[in-house]
Amino acid sequence: GNSVTQMEGPVTLSEEAFLTINCTYTATGYPSLFWYVQYPGEGLQLLLKATKADDKGSNKGFEATYRKETTSFHLEKGSVQVSDSAVYFCALSDPSAGNKLTFGGGTRVLVKP
Amino acid sequence: GAVVSQHPSWVICKSGTSVKIECRSLDFQATTMFWYRQFPKQSLMLMATSNEGSKATYEQGVEKDKFLINHASLTLSTLTVTSAHPEDSSFYICSPNFGTRGETQYFGPGTRLLVL
Repeated sequence: GNSVTQMEGPVTLSEEAFLTINCTYTATGYPSLFWYVQYPGEGLQLLLKATKADDKGSNKGFEATYRKETTSFHLEKGSVQVSDSAVYFCALSDPSAGNKLTFGGGTRVLVKP
Repeated sequence: GAVVSQHPSWVICKSGTSVKIECRSLDFQATTMFWYRQFPKQSLMLMATSNEGSKATYEQGVEKDKFLINHASLTLSTLTVTSAHPEDSSFYICSPNFGTRGETQYFGPGTRLLVL
């Protein structure tokens, strides 16, 4: 079956620090990959996505590249802000399974001023 | 982006009562709706997939008689937690499926259920 593994948190950083959240996946087909963000007290929001190998998703300074050879989709941001404090979820969507989303466990990020 | 609403946003109920959660897609038609559950500080777990006009498909370990799903129209899906117990306290989230590869999944704002 499909699975997503992401690094456990919490990750605590200072403002302007570099952020990396590792994400690896296992899938039987050719999934699309996503990063979702959940700010405190809010629902999930799409941060970025990539639908095929070597695609790079980017948004709000965050980037992630779909690496088929390493089955990874690591999230990076060069300079974080306090407002980036949230829980980040890596996920995959498998078209052979009706586009169901499989989520990683989530990584809580806390950015301190 | 697509707008998905859920009602109520939070509910507190006594053990043994039933609670209905509505999920509406406000600006598009969703033939399929995913229902997720999220326990505190945990990830989202898919509970079931509802299909307009047919029976829902439940994930392993989810009691279909306890979590009744109805997808009566292309813009409304409901989840009813029957005879709720404290262990059912959770955050319930709906998400419509457009059915297109790589299509962005949108999520409702969630319904927080607390069973006393």
